[in-house]
Amino acid sequence: DIQMTQFPSTLSASVGDRVTITCRASQSIGNWLAWYQQKPGRAPKLLVYEASTLETGVPSRFSGSGYGTEFTLTISSLQPDDFAIYYCQQYKSYSLTFGGGTKVEIQ
Amino acid sequence: QVQLQESGPGLVKPSETLSLTCTVSGGSVSSYYWNWIRRSPEKGLEWIGYIYYSGTTNYNPSFKSRATMSVDLSKNQVFLKLRSVTAADTAVYHCSRGQGSSVTPFGYWGQGALVTVSS
Repeated sequence: DIQMTQFPSTLSASVGDRVTITCRASQSIGNWLAWYQQKPGRAPKLLVYEASTLETGVPSRFSGSGYGTEFTLTISSLQPDDFAIYYCQQYKSYSLTFGGGTKVEIQ
Repeated sequence: QVQLQESGPGLVKPSETLSLTCTVSGGSVSSYYWNWIRRSPEKGLEWIGYIYYSGTTNYNPSFKSRATMSVDLSKNQVFLKLRSVTAADTAVYHCSRGQGSSVTPFGYWGQGALVTVSS
C-alpha cells in the first residue's frame, strides 16, 4: 500500500491566518491526490482533486499544490467555517489510502 | 441531487457479521462505482472497497477476507457485510460515490452509520 503521512496532526490558528497542511506519499503518485474536509457529525466533503483542481463550489481561499510525493493544502485566510479535520487521499494505486488527518482548531 | 443514506444495526456482537445498507436517492445506482469507507478516532478514514453497479468488486487487502459488497438495482441500494468483527471494527461507516463515472475521488457521501462492536 502507498502510505500517506499528513502533518501537522493538529494546527491551532486564528481567523484570518494563512494555513498550510502537508501530505507526503511513500512513493510517487503523480497528481492523483484529493483533499477532504470533515466536520463533526457531517459527511466528508471533497475540496480538491488531481492535487490542485478545486471542486465546484469550494471557496477560492482553498488551494492545492504539489506533485509526486509532496503536496500541500493552503487556506489563504482562515474563516470560522473552516475549523475542521482535513484529509488527503491518494488514488494512484488500486488500494486507496488516506492520510491520518489534520485538525484545524481555534487558537 | 444525489443523496446517500446508510442504515443498519448500531450494535454488533464480537465475531458476528456487520450488515449495512446504502440507499441512493435522486439518482441511479447504475453506471457508477460505490465505495464503503469507515472513520474512527484511532485510524481516521479507511477505504474498505468498491462495487461497480455490474457487480465487479475491489477490496482493500486489509478487508478482503472479511468484506462482501453487493448491489440491488431494483431497490437502488448497495450493501456491505463485514464478517468476524472485533472491537477494532467500531467506526462510522460511510457509503460514497466516485466523482463522475470514476471510482474516486469521492464526490458524494452519506452521513454515515455508527456501528459499535460490543458484547
